Amino acid sequence: AQSVSQHNHHVILSEAASLELGCNYSYGGTVNLFWYVQYPGQHLQLLLKYFSGDPLVKGIKGFEAEFIKSKFSFNLRKPSVQWSDTAEYFCAVNVPGTYKYIFGTGTRLKVLA
Amino acid sequence: EAGVTQFPSHSVIEKGQTVTLRCDPISGHDNLYWYRRVMGKEIKFLLHFVKESKQDESGMPNNRFLAERTGGTYSTLKVQPAELEDSGVYFCASSRPGLPTGELFFGEGSRLTVL
Repeated sequence: AQSVSQHNHHVILSEAASLELGCNYSYGGTVNLFWYVQYPGQHLQLLLKYFSGDPLVKGIKGFEAEFIKSKFSFNLRKPSVQWSDTAEYFCAVNVPGTYKYIFGTGTRLKVLA
Repeated sequence: EAGVTQFPSHSVIEKGQTVTLRCDPISGHDNLYWYRRVMGKEIKFLLHFVKESKQDESGMPNNRFLAERTGGTYSTLKVQPAELEDSGVYFCASSRPGLPTGELFFGEGSRLTVL
C-alpha cells in the first residue's frame, strides 16, 4: 500500500530563514504529488502539484518543490519564510487513474517574527 | 463560488451517543470525499462518492460509520454509537467530475470529541 512520510513534525524558524520540508512516498509506479497547507483557522488548500514534466514545480507564495524519482521524494522549499507562513503542511500522493489521495502526518511550521 | 462547507465545526458527545456530520460540496462537483485526522496522525481516506454512488469505502473504520449522499448533493457521515477512538477532525473534500486532475477542495473540517 502507498504511504507518505513527513519526517519533520515540528519546525521553528525565524523570518527570512530558508525552509525545506521533507516528503518521501512508497510506491513503485507513477504518482501525482501534492503539497497542501492549512493556515490557522482555515481549510486545507493546494500549495503546488506535480504530475509530469519539469521536476521542479513552483507554487503559490514563493514555494517550490522538487520531485526526485530515484529518492521517492518531493521536498518543499522556500528561500525566505515569512511570519505568515506559519501553518501546517501536508504532502500527498495520488496514483494516476485513481481517486484516493494518501496524505502524510503533516509538518507544523512556526515562523518567529 | 462558495467553498465546501461542513457542519458542525465542533461536536462534543459522550461515548455511545450518535453524531451526524454534514458536508456541502462545491456546486457541480460530482466527487465527494470524507477524510479523518486523528490527533497527530495522517489525514486518512474514509470514502469517496461519485454523485450519489459510493465508489470506494475501503477506509471506513467499521460499521458504526455510515455515509450517505442522497440526490448527489450534500453528504452526511453518521457515527453510531460513537467510541472514544472516533475523536478527530473529519474533513470533507470535493472535486470536479472525472478523475482528479489536481485540486481537492476541502472544507474546514468538523472536530469530533467523544468523552
